[in-house]
Amino acid sequence: EVQLVESGGGLVKPGGSLRLSCAASGFTFSSFSMNWVRQAPGKGLEWVSYISSSGSYIFYADSMKGRFTISRDNAKNLLYLQMNSLRAEDTAVYYCATEAQGELGYWGQGTLVTVSS
Amino acid sequence: QAVLTQPSSLSASPGASASLTCTLRSGINVGTYMVYWYQQKPGSPPQYLLRYKSDSDKQQGSGVPSRFSGSKDASANSGILLISGLQSEDEADYYCMIWHGSAWVFGGGTKLTVL
Repeated sequence: EVQLVESGGGLVKPGGSLRLSCAASGFTFSSFSMNWVRQAPGKGLEWVSYISSSGSYIFYADSMKGRFTISRDNAKNLLYLQMNSLRAEDTAVYYCATEAQGELGYWGQGTLVTVSS
Repeated sequence: QAVLTQPSSLSASPGASASLTCTLRSGINVGTYMVYWYQQKPGSPPQYLLRYKSDSDKQQGSGVPSRFSGSKDASANSGILLISGLQSEDEADYYCMIWHGSAWVFGGGTKLTVL
């Protein structure tokens, strides 16, 4: 069974940092591109970042460039999102999702990040 | 102007059909894009439904009923998700998505109410 489990969310002050993790199991993690997608409370989906299966290709949404860093460890089946200089508007549930030909097929249950003083 | 615009809400009756639109910003031609559709129910992550570029280039998600289908309206520069034979379980938020400018872009979502 495919499982994606996000962790690392929590309450952080504006300007602070957090590192999210996404633990993958039940499939060949190293064969899939991965994405982070977020959803602010009561709002729609917002794509955050993409990383190719090998980690060679990385893309970010404009509002996250320079502040967020996506990475992966294929040996440990882990995906990461390092988030720095956090702002109140970064408050959201952060999901990791597999990608194959644009299909974000498997999603985790998400981890809540709250940025507040 | 947003890249993708979706109506914020839509209501339809059980058994009827619902047409959910996803309009691309002027200057972005829907004909050149694959449009992806996702369904999200409260408290759950989104689920992939299907993708549609043309009648010869489309794909249904695994296990997604055939009453969910995709199309385009070139004159409106829009992608369309058609749900036929509406059921109460179809009540959810629906999002369209495209790959544009080296980024995935989601529409704002349509809340579909079945009543």
